[in-house]
Amino acid sequence: GAGVSQTPSNKVTEKGKYVELRCDPISGHTALYWYRQSLGQGPEFLIYFQGTGAADDSGLPNDRFFAVRPEGSVSTLKIQRTERGDSAVYLCASSPSPWLTSGGDTDTQYFGPGTRLTVL
Amino acid sequence: ELKVEQNPLFLSMQEEKNYTIYCNYSTTSDRLYWYRQDPGKSLESLFVLLSNGAVKQEGRLMASLDTKARLSTLHITAAVHDLSATYFCAVEMDSSYKLIFGSGTRLLVRP
Repeated sequence: GAGVSQTPSNKVTEKGKYVELRCDPISGHTALYWYRQSLGQGPEFLIYFQGTGAADDSGLPNDRFFAVRPEGSVSTLKIQRTERGDSAVYLCASSPSPWLTSGGDTDTQYFGPGTRLTVL
Repeated sequence: ELKVEQNPLFLSMQEEKNYTIYCNYSTTSDRLYWYRQDPGKSLESLFVLLSNGAVKQEGRLMASLDTKARLSTLHITAAVHDLSATYFCAVEMDSSYKLIFGSGTRLLVRP
């Protein structure tokens, strides 16, 4: 079946501009996660949604970053007043509802291809 | 704060050789994941380890978890070029579903 999709695949913007990154999770997955991966590093957690609500946004670096998931499916990560330090690959992942599984491979987070953001 | 350390960070090995990648983490966790990432690609799930003593194998890769030692290993048997990639371990923090990743081990298998 279809995996996690993200658009755009690449985004180049100028410092100070606003950007939106979109994530389409796997159908039926209620949990959705955003991570950020800098060159040569592992992904860093940003925010986790369970359904429509942000269950944990402790990884958002500052108030320029915001994410929504209004209907419990597609999510948008929004970055205001972009800075050069925001340049990274932004990864989205989804998983089935953690409260409906008893553990096992269904707990796995499935990652999308990422959006490479470059802030000039 | 949960910290995850992998070593080595870079590994160049010959085909048909065996090697082990280590993943240490700093606080208690019962869930550990291994992912593979090819250059310019996203992360592919390899293993989910859910309990102390868990061992999983897929092809030439075998992963194990020792929660008491806070250590997971990814063992490569008789490496082949197709295994060249970056391997990440990730630990789930406080059953929160938030994954903390190591820095990755870049594996290069030489003919």
